Amino acid sequence: DVKVTQSSRYLVKRTGEKVFLECVQDMDHENMFWYRQDPGLGLRLIYFSYDVKMKEKGDIPEGYSVSREKKERFSLILESASTNQTSMYLCASSLWGRHDNYGYTFGSGTRLTVV
Amino acid sequence: DAKTTQPPSMDCAEGRAANLPCNHSTISGNEYVYWYRQIHSQGPQYIIHGLKNNETNEMASLIITEDRKSSTLILPHATLRDTAVYYCIVRSYTGTASKLTFGTGTRLQVTL
Repeated sequence: DVKVTQSSRYLVKRTGEKVFLECVQDMDHENMFWYRQDPGLGLRLIYFSYDVKMKEKGDIPEGYSVSREKKERFSLILESASTNQTSMYLCASSLWGRHDNYGYTFGSGTRLTVV
Repeated sequence: DAKTTQPPSMDCAEGRAANLPCNHSTISGNEYVYWYRQIHSQGPQYIIHGLKNNETNEMASLIITEDRKSSTLILPHATLRDTAVYYCIVRSYTGTASKLTFGTGTRLQVTL
């Protein structure tokens, strides 16, 4: 089974701190994604990456950056955490292909609270 | 991106079929329809996907209309464990990658 592992299930950080959320997948997937999920807003795409060192902005990239130094690992970085970044963060991965029909595999999520 | 429209909530009695509708009237010819579900406090789980033909797997069936403007996810014998938020998604492409854009989904409540 494909496994997507997020390093923390719950995280509490202070306003202004630099926060790293880590995601690792073990099935050699090319694509990796970071979403955030908020009540009433569903899942919104922050950033995604289709290859090592490659990244593309999603729908809400402001206040975030990402890093993909190795194929299996995709990190989400909050440069200076703010209270409006309190949310559930979900990582996902999938195989690559322009006309692919591959689904995503999601991690269990990291619930981040910024105080 | 093709947009999808789903009812915000539905109820279903345990043991009965749950039929979850989805409208995607702006879907393009090569775009797939995906269904995911999210049980409370977990990441979304893939259920099924299709292009134009009806599809069935061990979890569910997917019925896509001939004009592809709508689809229905069918859980043939719903159980309490099927209580979840169900997302209908049309995949879109950007550059060299494809992405899934989630809406707010349908909250299915299965009751005794």
